Amino acid sequence: GQQVMQIPQYQHVQEGEDFTTYCNSSTTLSNIQWYKQRPGGHPVFLIQLVKSGEVKKQKRLTFQFGEAKKNSSLHITATQTTDVGTYFCAGHMKTSYDKVIFGPGTSLSVIP
Amino acid sequence: EPEVTQTPSHQVTQMGQEVILRCVPISNHLYFYWYRQILGQKVEFLVSFYNNEISEKSEIFDDQFSVERPDGSNFTLKIRSTKLEDSAMYFCASVGGSYEQYFGPGTRLTVT
Repeated sequence: GQQVMQIPQYQHVQEGEDFTTYCNSSTTLSNIQWYKQRPGGHPVFLIQLVKSGEVKKQKRLTFQFGEAKKNSSLHITATQTTDVGTYFCAGHMKTSYDKVIFGPGTSLSVIP
Repeated sequence: EPEVTQTPSHQVTQMGQEVILRCVPISNHLYFYWYRQILGQKVEFLVSFYNNEISEKSEIFDDQFSVERPDGSNFTLKIRSTKLEDSAMYFCASVGGSYEQYFGPGTRLTVT
């Protein structure tokens, strides 16, 4: 079946270090969205990427969508303690746009 | 800022009982999702709902599940005969004009 994988599962970084999480889909996606979930909270929408090769930036966060629209990455520069949480990618399937597959998430811990 | 609300925040029920989880999406939104998240695991797609109809559902969304928009504002998820494995956090999401999803705070369902 259709799967979306993310690596790493966990990442512990020192405050100020960079962080990257990678997302890979078994099938071509229509678009990809990224969400952040704080412990005990609900997913919060960060960004959506639609075009092949698209790159978007939000302050210290950089998001990329692969040329084949099957992979994506989120990079955080100079992490802060407020970046703690789990980052999920979520893909809308090309074959069935209304179906959204979430990746398992990368849990980020930032050591002050 | 408009937000999605969900009630109850926590529901405890006995196996075999019916539960109804309620969501009030953002007004003017026409497109909604239900997800579930077993503790510490990924967000799983259950069903998408557009224009008062189910547009897509997952393999998890079997005959025990149903969704309704009974009065044009509330959006409900019913589980007819709960099982132990239905214990999870259930999130409703309301979809904006650019397909960004606004998640509610969730209902924690505990089946005993």
